[in-house]
Amino acid sequence: EAQVTQNPRYLITVTGKKLTVTCSQNMNHEYMSWYRQDPGLGLRQIYYSMNVEVTDKGDVPEGYKVSRKEKRNFPLILESPSPNQTSLYFCASSLLGQGLNTEAFFGQGTRLTVV
Amino acid sequence: AQKITQTQPGMFVQEKEAVTLDCTYDTSDPSYGLFWYKQPSSGEMIFLIYQGSYDQQNATEGRYSLNFQKARKSANLVISASQLGDSAMYFCAMRGVFSGGYNKLIFGAGTRLAVHP
Repeated sequence: EAQVTQNPRYLITVTGKKLTVTCSQNMNHEYMSWYRQDPGLGLRQIYYSMNVEVTDKGDVPEGYKVSRKEKRNFPLILESPSPNQTSLYFCASSLLGQGLNTEAFFGQGTRLTVV
Repeated sequence: AQKITQTQPGMFVQEKEAVTLDCTYDTSDPSYGLFWYKQPSSGEMIFLIYQGSYDQQNATEGRYSLNFQKARKSANLVISASQLGDSAMYFCAMRGVFSGGYNKLIFGAGTRLAVHP
């Protein structure tokens, strides 16, 4: 089954404690990205990657890091989480260069609370 | 800058009636795509419908249709014969030839729809 898998689904952590949210896709997609969802703001892109070792900032990259060492995995790293990073996070993947109607596949979401 | 505006934070509708969720967009790209997603309380993002900027006809998918008015830059979602299971958050999104490697989706703030029996 084609899917994007995020872990964990729920996470409560304390300020400053480094954490990683994993994302893996089984569709051989080149493009992967992370979004955060906040009330009244919708989803905003944090980082994206167009292929292995190719990553770039999205609209709200401050406080986050990513890596793309393998095509299937795109972890999101919060080196020193702060309460303003409390949010619902989505990983998404899609084929590259297939047109505007390319379907984006979303993970199930990770609800992060930083206290 | 590209932007999606959803002006209805919340809507409610009676079961079996039709409802329209508003979406306006702003872009200078001549070529773009518009999407609607449903997010039920479980949180996942479910793709509903797509409209390309050059598509001549409004998109339809079952009970969902997209009322695309290019000159007014609007892409409203129409849900016919509402069902209780339609209660969810709905997001309008756009993809165009801008930053993000051409695959970036820009989302509106969302509209929460409640279907009443």
